[in-house]
Amino acid sequence: DGGITQSPKYLFRKEGQNVTLSCEQNLNHDAMYWYRQDPGQGLRLIYYSQIVNDFQKGDIAEGYSVSREKKESFPLTVTSAQKNPTAFYLCASTAGQGGLEKLFFGSGTQLSVL
Amino acid sequence: GQQVMQIPQYQHVQEGEDFTTYCNSSTTLSNIQWYKQRPGGHPVFLIQLVKSGEVKKQKRLTFQFGEAKKNSSLHITATQTTDVGTYFCAGPGTSGSRLTFGEGTQLTVNP
Repeated sequence: DGGITQSPKYLFRKEGQNVTLSCEQNLNHDAMYWYRQDPGQGLRLIYYSQIVNDFQKGDIAEGYSVSREKKESFPLTVTSAQKNPTAFYLCASTAGQGGLEKLFFGSGTQLSVL
Repeated sequence: GQQVMQIPQYQHVQEGEDFTTYCNSSTTLSNIQWYKQRPGGHPVFLIQLVKSGEVKKQKRLTFQFGEAKKNSSLHITATQTTDVGTYFCAGPGTSGSRLTFGEGTQLTVNP
């Protein structure tokens, strides 16, 4: 089946620790996105990448980092600089520009702080 | 920057009642998209509207795009328990390369 796979489903972070969330897609999409969702709120864009080896900051990039070394993979690292990391993280992809075509979402990773 | 606002934030209805959520943008949009997120799930694309004044229907769901392309609405006729979830509208930013989401309307349906 084609789609987006996020792992792990649940992740716990200790103080001062960096953690990495995985996102893999086999849709052959060029653009990939990371969104953060807090309870009862909308989706806020963290980072996005329109092509391999290139990515741009979204609205809330501080405390996060990404890489795009392969077309199918777009991992997100939540660094220790992110003081309030507890949230639901959603990865998405689209065949064209993300503002003009529909997004396909992964099933998400729930990150909590120990 | 662009803002997309949605109202209401929450809506509780009895099964069989109608439901409407409204979306307003601070800027003119080239298109608007609607997504549904079931409790514990991820957003799923419902529809995209492109033309000024456009109206599209999906069974009991009716989507409208305003004449000025700055607002949109989603209307559900005779809600069912399967309609439960959060409905988001989203519009492209000025560069067209990303979507800005509204805060969503959380719908609960009492059987």
